[in-house]
Amino acid sequence: GDSVTQMEGPVTLSEEAFLTINCTYTATGYPSLFWYVQYPGEGLQLLLKATKADDKGSNKGFEATYRKETTSFHLEKGSVQVSDSAVYFCALGNTGFQKLVFGTGTRLLVSP
Amino acid sequence: DAGVIQSPRHEVTEMGQEVTLRCKPISGHNSLFWYRQTMMRGLELLIYFNNNVPIDDSGMPEDRFSAKMPNASFSTLKIQPSEPRDSAVYFCASSPGQGPSNQPQHFGDGTRLSIL
Repeated sequence: GDSVTQMEGPVTLSEEAFLTINCTYTATGYPSLFWYVQYPGEGLQLLLKATKADDKGSNKGFEATYRKETTSFHLEKGSVQVSDSAVYFCALGNTGFQKLVFGTGTRLLVSP
Repeated sequence: DAGVIQSPRHEVTEMGQEVTLRCKPISGHNSLFWYRQTMMRGLELLIYFNNNVPIDDSGMPEDRFSAKMPNASFSTLKIQPSEPRDSAVYFCASSPGQGPSNQPQHFGDGTRLSIL
């Protein structure tokens, strides 16, 4: 079945450092890929998405490129802020009912 | 726009009591999802509905859990009897419904449930 694998956390960075959170997937067909972010005490929020190979999703300085050849959707940001501290989930959508398969989440901690 | 609304935000109750969690999806969304989140098991899909019909309840942990969607604007998740291991944050999410898989789910703020 479809699955998503994320890098283990926590990822600890200093403010203004470069961020990469790795995500790879296994799926049949042509799934859509998503990154969600969860701030403390809140629900998950959509951060960005890509619906076909080579698409780049971007939002709030974050970006991720749908790489079909490497089945990856890595999240990147050039300069993180303390306010980016949160848990990030990679997810895959591949059915008509919009059921998503989520990764286990990666916690990001940014220090001043 | 009103998002997904869950109630209560927090619930503390004693073991053996019945617990009912409520969710109002975004108007016009036809798919509704219930998730459970714990430190140990992460985010788990419990059940999802499309057009008020349960499509897949394979994630429901046991018979003590039940979910209903009597109409397009309301769903409940019930635990009876509750046990301490049910303590978790329960999320409801909705999405536009059957069709292309590129439509994201919209999450509520969750219900933090503590069973003593």
